[in-house]
Amino acid sequence: GAVVSQHPSRVICKSGTSVKIECRSLDFQATTMFWYRQFPKQSLMLMATSNEGSKATYEQGVEKDKFLINHASLTLSTLTVTSAHPEDSSFYICSARGWEGSTDTQYFGPGTRLTVL
Amino acid sequence: KNQVEQSPQSLIILEGKNCTLQCNYTVSPFSNLRWYKQDTGRGPVSLTIMTFSENTKSNGRYTATLDADTKQSSLHITASQLSDSASYICVVSSTSGTYKYIFGTGTRLKVLA
Repeated sequence: GAVVSQHPSRVICKSGTSVKIECRSLDFQATTMFWYRQFPKQSLMLMATSNEGSKATYEQGVEKDKFLINHASLTLSTLTVTSAHPEDSSFYICSARGWEGSTDTQYFGPGTRLTVL
Repeated sequence: KNQVEQSPQSLIILEGKNCTLQCNYTVSPFSNLRWYKQDTGRGPVSLTIMTFSENTKSNGRYTATLDADTKQSSLHITASQLSDSASYICVVSSTSGTYKYIFGTGTRLKVLA
C-alpha cells in the first residue's frame, strides 16, 4: 500500500521558536494532502487542506499565519508552527489523498508529537 | 448536518473474545466509508473501505458491514488479540462538489489478557 512519512516523529522546542514538520508521500504523487491535529483521547481535527502549487485551505478557527503550509511538490507538504507556545503542544498528523482502485482514500503519516516548553 | 457517530465510546474485552463497533452517519451525498485503526501515538491505518454498493468487507479478523439504507456500519473483530487494543475510527467521505471526509469520534478498545 501507499506510504506516507512524517519527520520528525517527535520534537521538543522552547516557547517562541518555529517548528517545521514534513510530510512525504513515498511511492505515489499526492496533489492533495491534509494536516490534522489530535488531542489526547480525541479524534483527529482537520486543520487545513494542502493542494500542490496553490494556497492551503484552512478550517474555521485555524490561524493561517500561525500554521504555515507549503505544498511545493507532489510528494512533499510542510507545516510550520510559527512562534510556538505550550498550547500548540499536540499530535500532528498528515495524510495524502490517493486511490485504491477507483475509490479515493487517505493514507496517513505516523504523526509528529510536538511539545512546546 | 454531516455527522458520524460511533459507539461505544470505549470498550474493554478479554483476549479471544469477539466484539462489534458501531458507526451511524448522516452524510449526504455518500461516497464511501472507511474504518481505521489508530494505535496510541501513531497515525491511523486503513482496515476497510466500502462504497455504496458493498455490504460487507473483510480484512483478516476484521469484518465491516454497511447498510446504506439505514446509514449504519459495523466493525466486527473476531478472536481479539492484545494488539487489537487501539482506537477505531469510522470516516465517511462525501462528494458534494469536492471530497470531504467526516470523522467519527472513535471507539477506544482495550483487550485484556
